[in-house]
Amino acid sequence: QVQLQESGPGLVKPSQTLSLTCTVSGGSVNSGDFYWSWIRQPPGKGLEWIGSAYYTGSTFYNPSLRSRVVISLDKSKNHFSLRLSSVTAADTAVFYCARVYAVTSPDSFDVWGQGTPVTVSS
Amino acid sequence: SYALTQPPSVSVSPGQTGSITCSGDKLGDRYVCWYQQKPGQSPVLVISQDTKRPSGIPERFSGSNSGNTATLTISGTQATDEADYYCQTWDSSTAVFGGGTKLIVL
Repeated sequence: QVQLQESGPGLVKPSQTLSLTCTVSGGSVNSGDFYWSWIRQPPGKGLEWIGSAYYTGSTFYNPSLRSRVVISLDKSKNHFSLRLSSVTAADTAVFYCARVYAVTSPDSFDVWGQGTPVTVSS
Repeated sequence: SYALTQPPSVSVSPGQTGSITCSGDKLGDRYVCWYQQKPGQSPVLVISQDTKRPSGIPERFSGSNSGNTATLTISGTQATDEADYYCQTWDSSTAVFGGGTKLIVL
């Protein structure tokens, strides 16, 4: 059974870069059947897709965040990472990593991590 | 950019059938997924590809999608079904979520 676990700082200063890692257990990021994704949820608000990465190295980002986001896979460590630059208080959220089932095309987010809260504050 | 619209809240009595809608331009031409999120928890996939229930999801959850509207239907609603529900689809390799609907069971 695949499990995802987010890790990273819970507090980031404005203008700095937020960095999170999602460790995958029970499965491999080096699989053509899945995309590996980040989603965030500001306090009291809805879900916002940040982006996804495929084992080939292809990445897909939310157009509203594209200029500030990098998602990468580390096949040797079986994890994937998120970097979000130039953060502001508006980036404060719970960040989730998730797996997208994608045998023929992107489908559903079928496995989610427990989420990690990140606050942007000085 | 593509947008999905959900009602902020839906109320249903225990044992009754509750429906949550998700609207988008020609949404019936795309696959829609539904997620349940209870307070303090991660979202859980309850419907994929419009109508498919993942393993472990009760049969009382069902989905449909036609025209401009997808619908999540919960039959015989239980108090434990009270949660936020989000619809989601893909638009040119971009994932789009609806704003979420709070299902109130009272």
